Amino acid sequence: ILNVEQSPQSLHVQEGDSTNFTCSFPSSNFYALHWYRWETAKSPEALFVMTLNGDEKKKGRISATLNTKEGYSYLYIKGSQPEDSATYLCAFYGGSNYKLTFGKGTLLTVNP
Amino acid sequence: EPEVTQTPSHQVTQMGQEVILRCVPISNHLYFYWYRQILGQKVEFLVSFYNNEISEKSEIFDDQFSVERPDGSNFTLKIRSTKLEDSAMYFCATGDRSNQPQHFGDGTRLSIL
Repeated sequence: ILNVEQSPQSLHVQEGDSTNFTCSFPSSNFYALHWYRWETAKSPEALFVMTLNGDEKKKGRISATLNTKEGYSYLYIKGSQPEDSATYLCAFYGGSNYKLTFGKGTLLTVNP
Repeated sequence: EPEVTQTPSHQVTQMGQEVILRCVPISNHLYFYWYRQILGQKVEFLVSFYNNEISEKSEIFDDQFSVERPDGSNFTLKIRSTKLEDSAMYFCATGDRSNQPQHFGDGTRLSIL
């Protein structure tokens, strides 16, 4: 059974704060690591797909790093805004099968 | 931007009945997936479908479940003889390649009474 863990489970920050959270995943048979943002009453929306060790991706105020050797990825949000409030899911893709294994997510609440 | 659409948005069914959940994928996508999320739990993979056949399925996806593309556009998940524990949010996702981001529908909330 693949273990994908995310921490913290939930996070409350003030508008303007920068924040980060962690996804840990198996370091063997790695193919890709996906990050999704999931707002309440909407569908998960893809943020990044990361494949290479040391990869760093950026989308506006959100960025992510990847360490495949030790099996972790960080997601950073700079200057959080209330509209960033959502659950952030990471998912491990091991190329030997056609499926994503999701973590439980980090619920971010940004207070105005 | 193209979207994955799912119908119905909410389905209420008596235990033991059959349900069919429908998904219309993005038109050039070739990889199709079903996931479910039981309230308070992780999003769980059910099945992936490529080239008109199942490419991977989880231990959850037993004989009670089946998938098909009956008309080449809709992608359906059928649950035979539903149980109370099948109550969950079911998400369809599609992708143009196996290692690319998946595009999710808004989900169908299935409630078994």
